Amino acid sequence: RKEVEQDPGPFNVPEGATVAFNCTYSNSASQSFFWYRQDCRKEPKLLMSVYSSGNEDGRFTAQLNRASQYISLLIRDSKLSDSATYLCVVTPSGTYKYIFGTGTRLKVLA
Amino acid sequence: DTAVSQTPKYLVTQMGNDKSIKCEQNLGHDTMYWYKQDSKKFLKIMFSYNNKELIINETVPNRFSPKSPDKAHLNLHINSLELGDSAVYFCASSPGGLLYGYTFGSGTRLTVV
Repeated sequence: RKEVEQDPGPFNVPEGATVAFNCTYSNSASQSFFWYRQDCRKEPKLLMSVYSSGNEDGRFTAQLNRASQYISLLIRDSKLSDSATYLCVVTPSGTYKYIFGTGTRLKVLA
Repeated sequence: DTAVSQTPKYLVTQMGNDKSIKCEQNLGHDTMYWYKQDSKKFLKIMFSYNNKELIINETVPNRFSPKSPDKAHLNLHINSLELGDSAVYFCASSPGGLLYGYTFGSGTRLTVV
């Protein structure tokens, strides 16, 4: 089983839709969790950290489910500019490595 | 001011050559990283330095050698380049610890022909 797994998509959604991605991780003692966004031919950029109690930043909500070992990202009122690949990141216990998932591609359609 | 800058942005070279990629950060971060993103877009860590000390050294061919002259710089030297080395190489930095995300450079697209 891969350390971090994501559905590659693409998720094609109309503008204004709500879309959610999940990311599962294999190491139950993982400590830190993040969502990154990567545009085509660009570098990944930090979107948000994921806290145990869940957290929100504008239209974006991140949640952590330790029992089932997954994190999720919910995007409300999708914009064309949200089209990108969304990467989840997990830090396994006892390391300083950030393990990236392979990303979920989102296309928001006009 | 670019926070994490890499040079060159593009690198096309022949098999067997030796090349270097440079990375500099002006964020005052203690920790720097090299990641490789292959054609399937998978980002894999290669090395990490914390204040000039190597702390992560993944299973990478020893043709790849990182060097950190000071905590603001982390360079990557690659000997005897192979076709399979073609990828995008990203440098990143972070303040250290596990609570902070990375800031990435814009990447170096290496093509070995």
